[in-house]
Amino acid sequence: TQLLEQSPQFLSIQEGENLTVYCNSSSVFSSLQWYRQEPGEGPVLLVTVVTGGEVKKLKRLTFQFGDARKDSSLHITAAQTGDTGLYLCAGPARGAQKLVFGQGTRLTINP
Amino acid sequence: DAGVIQSPRHEVTEMGQEVTLRCKPISGHDYLFWYRQTMMRGLELLIYFNNNVPIDDSGMPEDRFSAKMPNASFSTLKIQPSEPRDSAVYFCASSLVGTSGGADTQYFGPGTRLTVL
Repeated sequence: TQLLEQSPQFLSIQEGENLTVYCNSSSVFSSLQWYRQEPGEGPVLLVTVVTGGEVKKLKRLTFQFGDARKDSSLHITAAQTGDTGLYLCAGPARGAQKLVFGQGTRLTINP
Repeated sequence: DAGVIQSPRHEVTEMGQEVTLRCKPISGHDYLFWYRQTMMRGLELLIYFNNNVPIDDSGMPEDRFSAKMPNASFSTLKIQPSEPRDSAVYFCASSLVGTSGGADTQYFGPGTRLTVL
């Protein structure tokens, strides 16, 4: 069974600080996605990483896919209150058109 | 373009009652997914369809849950009879199989918050 473990599960920091959240697995994934979910809404895709070692930047967010394609990280620089939300990583299940989701990191940025 | 539409947004019902949740996927998408989200268990896949055909219902918790997709623009998730432990947010998502080389993006609806008293 392919599992994705995210850490930390909860993170509360002050505006302006930097942070990194992690998504780890013992399985190899062909790609990994990061979604952000705001209160009262459904998850929205932020990025897909496909190649081992790939780094993608989305403004203050930097996503990295591990060389072995078993892990990924999301780094936020100078966090803002608008970054508050639930961050979910997801990867395609082997042999099926469905995603395996991690349990999420609930991020709170305090003003 | 309209995104995935779900109704109702909130549902409060009493134990034993039948609950029907509705979803309209994005036009042209060929996959539809039903998820349940709780604080304890996170986001769980219940069932998914491809071209209106159920492909994998292994996540459906028990026989009280059923899902249908009578056509490409409509799907329902029914719980009968409902129980308090069914209280959760239920999401519908749709996607279109592509050739991006990565997993296909899933587009989620706003969810239905179900409370069973």
